[in-house]
Amino acid sequence: QSVLTQPPSVSATPGQKVTISCSGSSSNIGKNSVSWCQQFPGTVPRLLIYDNYKRPSGIPDRFSGSKSGTSATLDITGLQAGDEADYYCGAWDTSLSAWVFGGGTQLTVL
Amino acid sequence: QLQLQESGPGRVKPSETLSLTCVVSGGSISDSRSYWAWIRQPPGKGLEWIGTIYYTGTSYYNPSLKSRLTISVDTSKNHFSLTLSSVTAADTAVYYCARHNGGLGSIHSWGQGALVTVSS
Repeated sequence: QSVLTQPPSVSATPGQKVTISCSGSSSNIGKNSVSWCQQFPGTVPRLLIYDNYKRPSGIPDRFSGSKSGTSATLDITGLQAGDEADYYCGAWDTSLSAWVFGGGTQLTVL
Repeated sequence: QLQLQESGPGRVKPSETLSLTCVVSGGSISDSRSYWAWIRQPPGKGLEWIGTIYYTGTSYYNPSLKSRLTISVDTSKNHFSLTLSSVTAADTAVYYCARHNGGLGSIHSWGQGALVTVSS
């Protein structure tokens, strides 16, 4: 049972927009920044979004993040087949003094 | 360009101790803005944070692993290490070392990962 809650899977067709949610609490998302990473099968996770909405260099602006209260959202617009991957949210939990991940969301491009 | 590289045995016997080291290159482990983490991923499962350490030795551990876990840092060798005792098959995973950016913030950099299998 992960501290941060994500849907196990989402799907959409190419060109569409998909939203992945990440629900937490006042001690993690409610108090600290959220980040998102992307992981293709058999590869190392890579950072997509940090500080709730910022993108590292090289990440397309099709990927965007937001946070409201104790929840965060990753939006992917102009969906491409190459976006099929697992997506994880994460944040520091002040009460636990621990980094917490969501359980991960598998994105399928139909 | 910061790089992290895990090293250690690929197989550990049940009840024994798993030990891994992460060598940091292209940057200093004593960078005041960085914290250093271990994360693992069992086959077919999600990411699990193991623990994080600062160059001063201040450390934070996953409560579920704390009784078996030690994370240490060696600034002279620019590396940090993980030891996990009394391992079982449930500890079989790809182990990643990583860097938090901007304090205990997002995980910006990852090592390539090291598969550790617990098996007799």
